[in-house]
Amino acid sequence: QQQVKQSPQSLIVQKGGIPIINCAYENTAFDYFPWYQQFPGKGPALLIAIRPDVSEKKEGRFTISFNKSAKQFSLHIMDSQPGDSATYFCAARRDSGNTPLVFGKGTRLSVIA
Amino acid sequence: DTGVSQDPRHKITKRGQNVTFRCDPISEHNRLYWYRQTLGQGPEFLTYFQNEAQLEKSRLLSDRFSAERPKGSFSTLEIQRTEQGDSAMYLCASSLQLPGPLVSSYNEQFFGPGTRLTVL
Repeated sequence: QQQVKQSPQSLIVQKGGIPIINCAYENTAFDYFPWYQQFPGKGPALLIAIRPDVSEKKEGRFTISFNKSAKQFSLHIMDSQPGDSATYFCAARRDSGNTPLVFGKGTRLSVIA
Repeated sequence: DTGVSQDPRHKITKRGQNVTFRCDPISEHNRLYWYRQTLGQGPEFLTYFQNEAQLEKSRLLSDRFSAERPKGSFSTLEIQRTEQGDSAMYLCASSLQLPGPLVSSYNEQFFGPGTRLTVL
């Protein structure tokens, strides 16, 4: 049973475009939702994270939108650059106790110049 | 480099052999996690430690897998009698769990570069 569903699997955008990656979760006990960026041959690195008491969080060019009632959250990358080309994973966990993360399957993003 | 390190970075072995991977977490991080990532998938949780205590094991962790963190610092993950289905990237992560129930555990997990295992 996949607890975090991520879409699309892959995405190609032009430089300067705004790719949007969507995730949906099932477990209402989840209350921490991070996004990770992974380059080939590297481990995932935390990009931005949100808790469900806010509907939006921005850090630089990255924005998370969160819809608690729909149990969905999404990542927007403003003014995307070729250097943003990577695989992006959404994740979730029960924040209490710093429990292990449950990841989506990932979205491979390609930003072309 | 003070990040999470893993050794080896790559391991090729024949089916039936035993392999052992090592993870060195960020200094003073008391939580250490092992995840497995197969091609085209997100990382899947295997097990984690608080200091030297193994707190949780996933159903993915069959009897052929064993993990230790003997002194609460580095950890090892051993796979006995490897199978082709064990081929994957094995990721280690660490975090700092602060004491007290009211302290926010909004603690980032820092990942290492992974060990890529290929079982022939």
